Amino acid sequence: AQSVTQPDIHITVSEGASLELRCNYSYGATPYLFWYVQSPGQGLQLLLKYFSGDTLVQGIKGFEAEFKRSQSSFNLRKPSVHWSDAAEYFCAVGAGTGNQFYFGTGTSLTVIP
Amino acid sequence: KAGVTQTPRYLIKTRGQQVTLSCSPISGHRSVSWYQQTPGQGLQFLFEYFSETQRNKGNFPGRFSGRQFSNSRSEMNVSTLELGDSALYLCASSPVGENTEAFFGQGTRLTVV
Repeated sequence: AQSVTQPDIHITVSEGASLELRCNYSYGATPYLFWYVQSPGQGLQLLLKYFSGDTLVQGIKGFEAEFKRSQSSFNLRKPSVHWSDAAEYFCAVGAGTGNQFYFGTGTSLTVIP
Repeated sequence: KAGVTQTPRYLIKTRGQQVTLSCSPISGHRSVSWYQQTPGQGLQFLFEYFSETQRNKGNFPGRFSGRQFSNSRSEMNVSTLELGDSALYLCASSPVGENTEAFFGQGTRLTVV
C-alpha cells in the first residue's frame, strides 16, 4: 500500500540558513509526488510536483525537490529560508487512480531571526 | 480564475446532528476530493468525485457521504455527528485526468460539542 513518511515532526532554522525537509514514500510503481505548504488556518498550497523526467524539480517560492528512486525519497530543499516560510509542510504521493493522495504527517517549520 | 471555495468556513454542531459542507471547484475542474485533517490523524482521504460519480473512497464509516452535481460543485454530509468528527475538512479540485495536482480550498472548521 502507498504511504508517506516525514521523519521530522518539527524543524527550527535560522533565517537565511538552508533547509531540507525529508520525505520517504512507499509505492510500487513510478510515483506521482507532491509537496504542499499550509499556513495556520489555511488550506494547502502546492509547492511542486514530480511526475517523470528530470529528478530535480523546481517549485514556487524558491523551493526545489529531488526524486531519488533508489532511496524512495523526495526531499524538499531551499537554499535560504525566509521568515515567511514558517508553516507546515506536507509531502504526498498519488494513489495511482483518480486524484486520491496519501499525505505524510507533516513537518512544522519554525524560522528564527 | 477563482480558487476552490468552501462554505461555511466555521461550523459548530451538537453530537447526533448532521451537517452538510459545500465545495465549489475551480472552473473547468471536474474532480473534487474531500479530506479530513485532525492533529492526531493528519490528512485523511474521504472520497473523490468525478463527473458526478464517486471514483475513490477512503476508509471512513458510512456516516460520511458526498455527492457531486452537474456543475461539479460538491457537498459532503456527515450524519449522527460524534465528538471525534471535529476537524478541518478540506476540499480539493483537480483538472481532468489522474494524479494531477490538487488545488485546495481553505477548509471548513467543524466543531462538534
